[in-house]
Amino acid sequence: EVQLVESGGGLVQPGRSLRLSCTASGFTFGDYAMNWVRQAPGKGLEWVGFIRAKRYGGTPEYAASVKGRFTISRDDSKSIAYMQMNSLKTDDSAVYYCNRAFSGLGGDYWGQGILVTVSS
Amino acid sequence: QSALTQPASVSGSPGQSITISCTGTNSDVGGYNYVSWYQQHPGKAPKFMIYDVSNRPSGVSNRFSGSKSGNTASLTISGLQAEDEADYYCSSYASGSILVFGGGTKLTVL
Repeated sequence: EVQLVESGGGLVQPGRSLRLSCTASGFTFGDYAMNWVRQAPGKGLEWVGFIRAKRYGGTPEYAASVKGRFTISRDDSKSIAYMQMNSLKTDDSAVYYCNRAFSGLGGDYWGQGILVTVSS
Repeated sequence: QSALTQPASVSGSPGQSITISCTGTNSDVGGYNYVSWYQQHPGKAPKFMIYDVSNRPSGVSNRFSGSKSGNTASLTISGLQAEDEADYYCSSYASGSILVFGGGTKLTVL
């Protein structure tokens, strides 16, 4: 059974940093790209970025709203995707989901989400 | 990259069919056959319902179908049931190796 579990969320002050983890099981993690998607309270889904599988270079891409502040990485030996979030803003407050990227970056399996609150 | 355009809300009675549109541009919906649809119930993670415009993942009811014409994709739900009441989102692969979502549509089953 495919499972994705996010961790590392919480309350953080503006300007500070946080690292989210997405721990995967039930599939060969290294074969898949992984997405990060967020949802602000009462709002819609927003794609944050993704990281390619190593066989495609293992490189990330980002939404304009987080480019230069967020960094996505992966450790295939541990089946974990990470997202380092720096210079956090109040607008970054959201539930953050990771998902397994299927065809055309569509996410076929999603984690339960983790809440990040940026507030002083 | 702008979000895809979806109606804010749609409604229908049990047994009826409804269609949710998702309008983009030549750089996303119109340029690639990589439109996906998701169902999200309150407080839950999104569920993958349609991929590559019109394909259903295993386990998704055949009451859900997808299509595309030009820059607009559509999700049709036939034989509406109470449990279909949820928010629905489209997404599309876009130029520059990015993903864009629609703003979401709230489906009310009357």
